[in-house]
Amino acid sequence: DAKTTQPTSMDCAEGRAANLPCNHSTISGNEYVYWYRQIHSQGPQYIIHGLKNNETNEMASLIITEDRKSSTLILPHATLRDTAVYYCIVRLTGFQKLVFGTGTRLLVSP
Amino acid sequence: GAVVSQHPSWVICKSGTSVKIECRSLDFQATTMFWYRQFPKQSLMLMATSNEGSKATYEQGVEKDKFLINHASLTLSTLTVTSAHPEDSSFYICSAGEGVEKLFFGSGTQLSVL
Repeated sequence: DAKTTQPTSMDCAEGRAANLPCNHSTISGNEYVYWYRQIHSQGPQYIIHGLKNNETNEMASLIITEDRKSSTLILPHATLRDTAVYYCIVRLTGFQKLVFGTGTRLLVSP
Repeated sequence: GAVVSQHPSWVICKSGTSVKIECRSLDFQATTMFWYRQFPKQSLMLMATSNEGSKATYEQGVEKDKFLINHASLTLSTLTVTSAHPEDSSFYICSAGEGVEKLFFGSGTQLSVL
């Protein structure tokens, strides 16, 4: 699986949009981009995933660049409960193993 | 979304004893489950892939005789930490996939070996 690069930490004010970047310059054509988050002392929570097109669900939006070498996870209105470590992972289609990097520690403050 | 149940949430044991952790997929069948461990302030490290009805596949550096995995049914995988020692103290997390796209995680088990 391709490796990803994320900033170690980010801050965001409550109510503002949180934009979390991820670089995956060696991604191959059949690899998806997945985002998970882990709140302290809990198992990771699935957020969203995509292949080429931008995706949106009730939790977040995923913007993937046209060359697929980077992506951005957007939390439109961050709350204090969104404070967590966010992991960007690329993974082969149909192959379920997820390999976690170091992630971005997002701190949402009042 | 799909639910993966993990039990127990935490366990304290004496050095030299064995500990079993259960992972269940509650509303779907999972032919494959995954076991991870996580040390404080570190990322999740994949330990092994659990396959229903066959032997588990272990990642490099993970002792298969130390971490016994059994996947006897399509909804249950167990991880047994044998002869546990303090260095085995960690947060253990299982996951299972509903279909080929989404992978869901249990809530984790905090193991403390005294």
